[in-house]
Amino acid sequence: AQSVTQPDIHITVSEGASLELRCNYSYGATPYLFWYVQSPGQGLQLLLKYFSGDTLVQGIKGFEAEFKRSQSSFNLRKPSVHWSDAAEYFCAVRAGGTSYGKLTFGQGTILTVHP
Amino acid sequence: DGGITQSPKYLFRKEGQNVTLSCEQNLNHDAMYWYRQDPGQGLRLIYYSQIVNDFQKGDIAEGYSVSREKKESFPLTVTSAQKNPTAFYLCASSTLVDNEQFFGPGTRLTVL
Repeated sequence: AQSVTQPDIHITVSEGASLELRCNYSYGATPYLFWYVQSPGQGLQLLLKYFSGDTLVQGIKGFEAEFKRSQSSFNLRKPSVHWSDAAEYFCAVRAGGTSYGKLTFGQGTILTVHP
Repeated sequence: DGGITQSPKYLFRKEGQNVTLSCEQNLNHDAMYWYRQDPGQGLRLIYYSQIVNDFQKGDIAEGYSVSREKKESFPLTVTSAQKNPTAFYLCASSTLVDNEQFFGPGTRLTVL
């Protein structure tokens, strides 16, 4: 079965600093990978997704992520963080086979931005 | 505007009562999903449906029930058998092609 690990429960950065959120997945086949963001008390918004092709994926709000098959990773990056980026971030992988369509989510990483 | 609506945003119930959470989408998506979110545990799948009148159990289906009588609607009932129902519940929908899931705003259920 597929699984997703986000090693960092909570990350704090200063506004304007660069950001990298880590995501490691376990999946036997080529994964479909997603990053979502959630503001407190709200639903999730898709930041970006990887299905195939170029391993560097651009998303909304200036975020990007790089798929590295050899490391089973899909880390999210942003060169300069804004205070409005403070939120919780979730990495997810899509299942295949008989569980087609299911997403498995990581535990989430809470991002705090200091002024 | 296309999207997913969940109602109500906040819901309070007494222990032992069943409660139904509403989820409606006008995105013409075939698949719909219910997740439960607890602090520090990410999202856990309760039930999902890929076609009308058919649905499958997710990872934590015990104490919950669903129906899918219409493509647009996927209500979730939290029964009295659910041991710890207080949580944030999220509904989502997607096409069957790429499974990019779109989420509703969520319902926070508190059982007193």
